[in-house]
Amino acid sequence: KAGVTQTPRYLIKTRGQQVTLSCSPISGHRSVSWYQQTPGQGLQFLFEYFSETQRNKGNFPGRFSGRQFSNSRSEMNVSTLELGDSALYLCASSASRAGYTFGSGTRLTVV
Amino acid sequence: AQSVTQLGSHVSVSEGALVLLRCNYSSSVPPYLFWYVQYPNQGLQLLLKYTTGATLVKGINGFEAEFKKSETSFHLTKPSAHMSDAAEYFCAVSDGTGGGADGLTFGKGTHLIIQP
Repeated sequence: KAGVTQTPRYLIKTRGQQVTLSCSPISGHRSVSWYQQTPGQGLQFLFEYFSETQRNKGNFPGRFSGRQFSNSRSEMNVSTLELGDSALYLCASSASRAGYTFGSGTRLTVV
Repeated sequence: AQSVTQLGSHVSVSEGALVLLRCNYSSSVPPYLFWYVQYPNQGLQLLLKYTTGATLVKGINGFEAEFKKSETSFHLTKPSAHMSDAAEYFCAVSDGTGGGADGLTFGKGTHLIIQP
């Protein structure tokens, strides 16, 4: 059974640019949630999508957005990048709140 | 709102000694509780989880945790530490107050150091 696939693994962007990260969940899982991990703030919940609808959103500015496609794959987008957006972005796939499987993450560096 | 507190950002134990990582939570509804481990430059791997039923939960790599509702705790233990256990450990809670899968709230993490 394939796990959660996040692409790309590493990314370097310049301040002001925008970036799109991708997450392919485990087959059959309809929920995808996104998290930002930084040394200072730890792991913070960004948003959660279920059947193409955003059901929950964390306390992040509107520059952070996402979407989910009919095949449950999800993308998150960050516009007008800031240095503070440098982080490991993790997505998690779940079939219910009883289990979350994480991908290996995308390491974003903003220079 | 749910929250998780992990006592001790760093814990150091000798190889072969007991590992105890502490986690306390707050939740307005019966929680689902998780422990994850993270190795450098990797994602999170599930060690164990409590949903319902037996309060003593056994996980991978010899870890176990006990859900104590009266103490709102979910401490992680391992009888004998191994060098390969050195990693970052995260406690997380999901209370699903919105119904279904609503994401996880994490503690700040505990860095486990194993002394030879």
